[in-house]
Amino acid sequence: DPKIIQKPKYLVAVTGSEKILICEQYLGHNAMYWYRQSAKKPLEFMFSYSYQKLMDNQTASSRFQPQSSKKNHLDLQITALKPDDSATYFCASSQDYRGDTLYFGAGTRLSVL
Amino acid sequence: SQWGEENLQALSIQEGEDVTMNCSYKTYTTVVQWYRQKSGKGPAQLILIRSNEREKRSGRLRATLDTSSQSSSLSITGTLATDTAVYFCATATNTGKLTFGDGTVLTVKP
Repeated sequence: DPKIIQKPKYLVAVTGSEKILICEQYLGHNAMYWYRQSAKKPLEFMFSYSYQKLMDNQTASSRFQPQSSKKNHLDLQITALKPDDSATYFCASSQDYRGDTLYFGAGTRLSVL
Repeated sequence: SQWGEENLQALSIQEGEDVTMNCSYKTYTTVVQWYRQKSGKGPAQLILIRSNEREKRSGRLRATLDTSSQSSSLSITGTLATDTAVYFCATATNTGKLTFGDGTVLTVKP
């Protein structure tokens, strides 16, 4: 059974709309992350959270907003979607905030038309 | 090699052959991680090697780390068709941020 659940698996959106990507982890980890993978770039770090607090943000645009309602939950809200936002978004978690082993979900593939 | 200005590499081999993938990194690190990503899946860590280890083995995998040249390698012996995937090396900061290389696309033909 997958321990990191990302929903939905595929998402199609129109330019200018808003979408929320869901992530839940059942590994009992204290740190969670978002990464993005597009055809033109390697896996890119976006955000890191520890005990529901934002620790690092490498996303230049404020259109990307992580939301953590529970320790094992880290959603990603994306507003004013652009075609360049098309990518696969991966949620990950680690036992603690030390940069060791990360466990990744299967990703949400977002296509913006 | 991956990282820096190198582009995504591709290797195609026959099942049973051995393969070595290399990466070099620019910023100082004490830990290098190797991940594998199969089609349609998220990356999964294969092996983590620290600067005081130089070499680490796990089953058919062998990783090396040379901090003086800032390079690492991952070798797979007796490859299987199921080893077909993209392989990444990555370094981590103490803020939990992983920096991934471009990756090596490995195709193992049965």
